[in-house]
Amino acid sequence: NAGVTQTPKFQVLKTGQSMTLQCAQDMNHEYMSWYRQDPGMGLRLIHYSVGAGITDQGEVPNGYNVSRSTTEDFPLRLLSAAPSQTSVYFCASWSSGGGTYEQYFGPGTRLTVT
Amino acid sequence: KQEVTQIPAALSVPEGENLVLNCSFTDSAIYNLQWFRQDPGKGLTSLLLIQSSQREQTSGRLNASLDKSSGRSTLYIAASQPGDSATYLCAVRGNTPLVFGKGTRLSVIA
Repeated sequence: NAGVTQTPKFQVLKTGQSMTLQCAQDMNHEYMSWYRQDPGMGLRLIHYSVGAGITDQGEVPNGYNVSRSTTEDFPLRLLSAAPSQTSVYFCASWSSGGGTYEQYFGPGTRLTVT
Repeated sequence: KQEVTQIPAALSVPEGENLVLNCSFTDSAIYNLQWFRQDPGKGLTSLLLIQSSQREQTSGRLNASLDKSSGRSTLYIAASQPGDSATYLCAVRGNTPLVFGKGTRLSVIA
């Protein structure tokens, strides 16, 4: 199993550009989520999904869109990038199977908006 | 709103020392607590997960305890090694996916 994969690893955008951060998992996990990590702020939840077709907002959802059309994929869309969205983005997945709900994280995407 | 605090923010110890990292949370209505390790520029590696009904979990030189009623968890690292140098993150799962502390940056000096 590849686990949780994220692409790209690095990205530089200009203010106002749009892009999609990709996240995929091959563990058949029903839950997936996106976090951003900023110095001094820790990791904060952006959006999450409890299954295909179902998403919900986290702590910092503004400026980001998500959809979940398949169990495997959970892309994060930046509609009009702003310098405040410069951050490291992590995708995670987990399952309720076995009752553990242990979360597994991808390697991250480092985004810079100029 | 759940808040997670980790103390100390940074810690430097000589190799071989036993050490304790602390994590506290404000809302005791949690389902589980997870400890992660993060190396510079890397992702998060899960170390231990404690369910709300459990008191502790062990993996090798690591032992994590949970006192849900008092909103506290500790991560005990025995016989620390330079390879243990990293940032350790505590996170709790309640009604939403994980809420994280800001981490403890550990340096183990050879």
